[in-house]
Amino acid sequence: SAVISQKPSRDICQRGTSLTIQCQVDSQVTMMFWYRQQPGQSLTLIATANQGSEATYESGFVIDKFPISRPNLTFSTLTVSNMSPEDSSIYLCSVDLGGRSNEQFFGPGTRLTVL
Amino acid sequence: QKEVEQDPGPLSVPEGAIVSLNCTYSNSAFQYFMWYRQYSRKGPELLMYTYSSGNKEDGRFTAQVDKSSKYISLFIRDSQPSDSATYLCAMSAITGNQFYFGTGTSLTVIP
Repeated sequence: SAVISQKPSRDICQRGTSLTIQCQVDSQVTMMFWYRQQPGQSLTLIATANQGSEATYESGFVIDKFPISRPNLTFSTLTVSNMSPEDSSIYLCSVDLGGRSNEQFFGPGTRLTVL
Repeated sequence: QKEVEQDPGPLSVPEGAIVSLNCTYSNSAFQYFMWYRQYSRKGPELLMYTYSSGNKEDGRFTAQVDKSSKYISLFIRDSQPSDSATYLCAMSAITGNQFYFGTGTSLTVIP
């Protein structure tokens, strides 16, 4: 498994501002993912962030709104830009350790409230 | 039709009961099946991982996959109050591919 930390754990932000969420892993991983978890809904994949390449965004998510950085194999950031109350959610990063298994391990999440 | 369907519950059982949690799916290409447990205000924790069909047992937990029916189950024996959490099923087609999650089932085990 992997130990994953996220900062901040929670934040309350004003409409129109931006928040950058950090994800740190205790081992080097190729594949990192960013998810959104809204109340009563399943986890929704925002983008896949592989080191050394541009992030790949899922339908409905764009780079201008959710820019992602992946400077090395243990760290990634997700920025939620120009926030609105609809962006209030839990944001989770996860990692795939690779190999023959197909397991993802999640960070504790960042609980975002936009006023 | 959603890729993965999961009854959201909530499910409330007495301590010691056997709990059955289920998901159905529509994509016959799914080969990897996972169950995650998520405590309140925490990230999902991988509980069980199964490749293809069959059963897998780990302590009080048993995961079953029936690919012919596109149906997966998680059984919890001798349920404990500490099992109270939301249980999410997840699945994917190939390694490194996108995971598809159920909405989660909220379980409460009453002492």
